[in-house]
Amino acid sequence: DIQMTQSPSTLSASVGDRVTITCRASHTINRWLAWYQQKPREAPKLLIYKASTLEVGVPSRFSGSGSGTDFTLTISSLQPDDFATYYCQQYSSNSRTFGQGTTVEIK
Amino acid sequence: EVQLVESGGGLVQPGGSLTLSCAASGFNFSDYWMHWVRQAPGKGLVWVSRINNDGSILNSADFVRGRFTISRDNAKNILFLQMSSLRAEDTAVYYCARRYGGNSDLDYWGQGTLVTVSS
Repeated sequence: DIQMTQSPSTLSASVGDRVTITCRASHTINRWLAWYQQKPREAPKLLIYKASTLEVGVPSRFSGSGSGTDFTLTISSLQPDDFATYYCQQYSSNSRTFGQGTTVEIK
Repeated sequence: EVQLVESGGGLVQPGGSLTLSCAASGFNFSDYWMHWVRQAPGKGLVWVSRINNDGSILNSADFVRGRFTISRDNAKNILFLQMSSLRAEDTAVYYCARRYGGNSDLDYWGQGTLVTVSS
């Protein structure tokens, strides 16, 4: 099974900050990586797929990069609506694996 | 508008059974692979199972294999998750999600249904 490890688990930041979340796969997944945003009591929302492709409607301040085993999600200028939990997820295999999540909190 | 609406959650005793449903609308259901993902209270997302568009390919996580069965009714646009031998650790919100296909993955999710396993 492919394991996904995200860091940090929690991140405190201010509006306007540049924020980076990292995700590492235990085996190479090429670029089969997605990022989701989840707010309390809501379903996850797809932000990025194929490591760097922005889903339609997602603001351009979100970006993704990486390939193989190491990936990053960057928010270039944090906005009030961005305080949430973010998950990476691999879809290289017949199953799916999520990272443990990174909660972006208000500093 | 794409909509996925889960139902069937509730309180069940350990060892019991429950069937979840996910009603799909706003898209051609029979064209898409579908998934179940769960989230225990205060915890992260965990993948449960998937089914291909015609129901001929099924995959499940090791921890539910032999206990949970995914299925679908393309005539009625409904996805199912039959759960048996339920344990306390199966307590979670269960989401159904659509796989868009191509380079993308789970692009639409339902609002989730809560399953509580407790005596």
